[in-house]
Amino acid sequence: GDSVTQMEGPVTLSEEAFLTINCTYTATGYPSLFWYVQYPGEGLQLLLKATKADDKGSNKGFEATYRKETTSFHLEKGSVQVSDSAVYFCALSGGYNTDKLIFGTGTRLQVFP
Amino acid sequence: GAVVSQHPSRVICKSGTSVKIECRSLDFQATTMFWYRQFPKQSLMLMATSNEGSKATYEQGVEKDKFLINHASLTLSTLTVTSAHPEDSSFYICKGGGGGTEAFFGQGTRLTVV
Repeated sequence: GDSVTQMEGPVTLSEEAFLTINCTYTATGYPSLFWYVQYPGEGLQLLLKATKADDKGSNKGFEATYRKETTSFHLEKGSVQVSDSAVYFCALSGGYNTDKLIFGTGTRLQVFP
Repeated sequence: GAVVSQHPSRVICKSGTSVKIECRSLDFQATTMFWYRQFPKQSLMLMATSNEGSKATYEQGVEKDKFLINHASLTLSTLTVTSAHPEDSSFYICKGGGGGTEAFFGQGTRLTVV
């Protein structure tokens, strides 16, 4: 079945460092891909998405490109801030039920001043 | 934008009691509602899919008699954890469905069973 694999955390960075969180997927057909962020004590917020190959999703300085050839959707940010500390989830939807999301295990990001 | 309102945000209950969690779609008709559960330091796992006017569809391994889901209207879906036990302590979150609704998550409910 469909699945999402994320790099294990936590990822610990200093402020203004470059961030990459890897995400790869397995899916039949042509899924849509998403990154969600969960701040401490809160629910999920959609960070960005891409719906087809070579699409780039971007928001708040974060970017991810839908790479069909490598089945990847890595999250990047050029300069992280302390306020970016959160758990990041990669997810996909597709197949017969495009509303059903399949999540990766999440990666905790800790940014220190 | 569309909003899914979920409450309560936190609940502590005694073992053996039942807890109801509500999710309301405030400005769209949620023909489908997805219920997820997140254990500490783990990912979100889909528990069940509720459909307005029909029975919910449960994922493998989820006890339908324990997690009662009702989708009585196009704006309200409820999850009732019956005879709760400490192992049911978790973060429960709903997502409104209906096409292009990947952003429509509720705020989540943290359940603690003591």
